Amino acid sequence: DTAVSQTPKYLVTQMGNDKSIKCEQNLGHDTMYWYKQDSKKFLKIMFSYNNKELIINETVPNRFSPKSPDKAHLNLHINSLELGDSAVYFCASSQDSGSNEQYFGPGTRLTVT
Amino acid sequence: DQQVKQNSPSLSVQEGRISILNCDYTNSMFDYFLWYKKYPAEGPTFLISISSIKDKNEDGRFTVFLNKSAKHLSLHIVPSQPGDSAVYFCAASEEGGSEKLVFGKGTKLTVNP
Repeated sequence: DTAVSQTPKYLVTQMGNDKSIKCEQNLGHDTMYWYKQDSKKFLKIMFSYNNKELIINETVPNRFSPKSPDKAHLNLHINSLELGDSAVYFCASSQDSGSNEQYFGPGTRLTVT
Repeated sequence: DQQVKQNSPSLSVQEGRISILNCDYTNSMFDYFLWYKKYPAEGPTFLISISSIKDKNEDGRFTVFLNKSAKHLSLHIVPSQPGDSAVYFCAASEEGGSEKLVFGKGTKLTVNP
């Protein structure tokens, strides 16, 4: 019973393509997040949704668009992929936006060639 | 602009000895601190946290110490076990919530049998 799951685990694609990463949590949490871990190993928040509403939107290119069809899902769509988008993307969830503990998915390693 | 710094990329200790992982921060608005542990090909998992109103929090073999005046925290693992070998991330947030966690680059701990 995976608490936070992401698909796919690995994604290799060419520059200019559009791709999506899916995330689902079965913890009943209200808040979900997307993080990016780049080649320098920094883990940085990109977006946060609380009950399907966007509450954090860091400085991320418009090519990245999160979508939350319900509070258990937060998908990340990326348009016109660039080489610099290559990274590991982690989804996470927490009980609510003020919770002190986030549960992370296993990550999706995106490689743009 | 690294607000959370983990200056030691790696640490190696013998089984049974103490592991001390260090973290420094620059943002005086941070008032909640967390440690996450990450195994390869998995997402980070929450380990222990501390509020700025405390200077110590203990959970089994894990103790986190906070020195607000020095803007420094440390994680002590006693006794260290081979299963503790992982990357440890320090994270911080403002105003008591983990809505926006700022992570350090991580320290890779290796515990040798």
